[in-house]
Amino acid sequence: GENVEQHPSTLSVQEGDSAVIKCTYSDSASNYFPWYKQELGKGPQLIIDIRSNVGEKKDQRIAVTLNKTAKHFSLHITETQPEDSAVYFCAVNRDDKIIFGKGTRLHILP
Amino acid sequence: DAGVIQSPRHEVTEMGQEVTLRCKPISGHNSLFWYRQTMMRGLELLIYFNNNVPIDDSGMPEDRFSAKMPNASFSTLKIQPSEPRDSAVYFCASKPGQGNYEQYFGPGTRLTVT
Repeated sequence: GENVEQHPSTLSVQEGDSAVIKCTYSDSASNYFPWYKQELGKGPQLIIDIRSNVGEKKDQRIAVTLNKTAKHFSLHITETQPEDSAVYFCAVNRDDKIIFGKGTRLHILP
Repeated sequence: DAGVIQSPRHEVTEMGQEVTLRCKPISGHNSLFWYRQTMMRGLELLIYFNNNVPIDDSGMPEDRFSAKMPNASFSTLKIQPSEPRDSAVYFCASKPGQGNYEQYFGPGTRLTVT
């Protein structure tokens, strides 16, 4: 079955610096790669996604890059702010489902 | 515009009791998913429905777990009998339909079994 590996498990960055979270997957048939943000006490919320026909997508301070050949994709957050502190999950589709990585806890240091 | 609604938000029960979690998906969404989240195992898919029909229940841990979707606007996840290891946060999510992968999550139900 599909295997999604996410790194690092925790990440601390100074406010204003950039954060990068990486994921690898195993199923070459996967073609949808979302990123979810989960704040304390809330459900995961989709923040950005990318499909396999593009290599990069950007939305204000967040961007996702995809390398289908290497089967890895990354989330980039620039100019980090305190409200970026949360747990971030990558995911890939498998049939009509999505399979989640284990998550990255991002701490923004003042 | 209401999102996915789950109830209760918190549930504390004793081992052996029956627990029923409830979910109302976003109106017009045809697919509904039940997930369980723990520190050890992360976010696990338990079961999902398309057009009220269970499609994949391979993630349901054991026969103590059952899920139903009697109509397009309501689903339940039942645990009977409950055990301490069932303690977790249970999320319901919905999406518009097949081929559309964007899932929208509810706020979750935090279940504690003592």
